[in-house]
Amino acid sequence: DSGVTQTPKHLITATGQRVTLRCSPRSGDLSVYWYQQSLDQGLQFLIQYYNGEERAKGNILERFSAQQFPDLHSELNLSSLELGDSALYFCASSPGRGLQETQYFGPGTRLLVL
Amino acid sequence: QQQVKQSPQSLIVQKGGISIINCAYENTAFDYFPWYQQFPGKGPALLIAIRPDVSEKKEGRFTISFNKSAKQFSLHIMDSQPGDSATYFCAAKKGLSGSARQLTFGSGTQLTVLP
Repeated sequence: DSGVTQTPKHLITATGQRVTLRCSPRSGDLSVYWYQQSLDQGLQFLIQYYNGEERAKGNILERFSAQQFPDLHSELNLSSLELGDSALYFCASSPGRGLQETQYFGPGTRLLVL
Repeated sequence: QQQVKQSPQSLIVQKGGISIINCAYENTAFDYFPWYQQFPGKGPALLIAIRPDVSEKKEGRFTISFNKSAKQFSLHIMDSQPGDSATYFCAAKKGLSGSARQLTFGSGTQLTVLP
């Protein structure tokens, strides 16, 4: 158990809909990262937040957005969903204080868009 | 643009054998190279990591070999066990200023260790 929690575990929705994925980082971790894992694209970095502020953006679509709240939990919002958005979405957290610190991954949310 | 190339895509090894997974990177700004292990239905978990100023790091049956001039690094699993059957990802991270330190992952290697 990494200490990172993600809800829900599974999500089935239809094209065009909007969903929200939630992540609670390990206690004390200030950085939260979101990654997308799909069969054709592998594990890809989407976005990072540090202590409530956006720090880095990767291959995140404009239809996707995220935020980190004062209690440090984070939400990833996916809108106007398409079939190709079906994937595993992972959240990871790290203390945010060192260059080579470990990122701890949550169990993921499996999204299926029908 | 794939910045970290990983091979092979899949690997089958007999119990007790050595599993070797290779990765190559392009960006010399990378300065931290972790390997993650992922079991079905689980998130990736850190296995072992290395900095580029070290040529080898060993933790139990797992060893990373690092060749900075060739921009290559590899994971060796000695005495492979059926319980090692999982997907392995190499990754790289830039030592950016501030706190932007996302991981760039290889494409993954599915390891099967036969009993």
